[in-house]
Amino acid sequence: DIQMTQSPSSLSASVGDRVTITCRASQNIGNFFNWYQQRPGKAPNLLIYGASSLQSGVPSRFSGSGSGTDFTLIIGSLQPEDFATYYCQQSYSTPLTFGGGTKVEIK
Amino acid sequence: EVQLVESGGGLVKPGESLRLSCAASGFSVSNAWMTWVRQAPGKGLEWIGRIKRKSDGGTTDYAAPVKDRFTISRDDSQETLYLQMNSLKPEDTAVYYCTSGEAWGQGTLVTVSS
Repeated sequence: DIQMTQSPSSLSASVGDRVTITCRASQNIGNFFNWYQQRPGKAPNLLIYGASSLQSGVPSRFSGSGSGTDFTLIIGSLQPEDFATYYCQQSYSTPLTFGGGTKVEIK
Repeated sequence: EVQLVESGGGLVKPGESLRLSCAASGFSVSNAWMTWVRQAPGKGLEWIGRIKRKSDGGTTDYAAPVKDRFTISRDDSQETLYLQMNSLKPEDTAVYYCTSGEAWGQGTLVTVSS
C-alpha cells in the first residue's frame, strides 16, 4: 500500500497568515493526488484534484502543487472559515490512502 | 443540486450485519466511480472501497480490513449505492460516508458494541 505522510499534524495560525501543508507519498504517484478540507462535524470537501487543479467553487486562496512524491497545499491568506482539518489522498492505486491530517487551529 | 444521503447506520453487536444505503439526487450514481470512506471517532479518514461505473466494468476494490466482510453494490435504477457489512467488529465503529470524490454525503454512524 502507498503511505501518505502529512506534516505538520497540527499548526496554529492567525487570520491573514499564509499556511503551507505538505504531504509525501511512499512511492511515485504522478499527479494522482487530492486535498480535502473537513470542518468539525462535517463531511470532507474536495479542494484540489490532480495535485494542482482547483475544484469548482473553492476560493482561489487555496493552491496545490507537486508531483511524484512531494505535494504542497498553500492557503494564501487564512480566513476564519479555513480553520479545519486538511487531508491529502493518493488516487494512483487502491487502497486510495489518506494522510493522517493537518489540523489548522486559531492562534 | 447534487446530493448524497446515507442511511442505515445504528448500533449493532459484534458479528452482526448492517446495510448502508446512499441515495443520490441531481447526480447519476450509475455514471460515477463511487467510494465508501469511514472515520472512526476522533480519527482520520479511511478509504474502504469503491465500485467503478458499469462502462468501466463495474468492478469493486476493497481495503484489507474489510475485504471479504464488506460488499459494495449499486442499484442504477434507484440511483442508490449500498454497503453490505457482515461480521462487524468493534473497530468498524465509525461514521461512514459515500462519495464520488466531488460530492459527499453527510455520513451515517455505525456503532459496533456488545
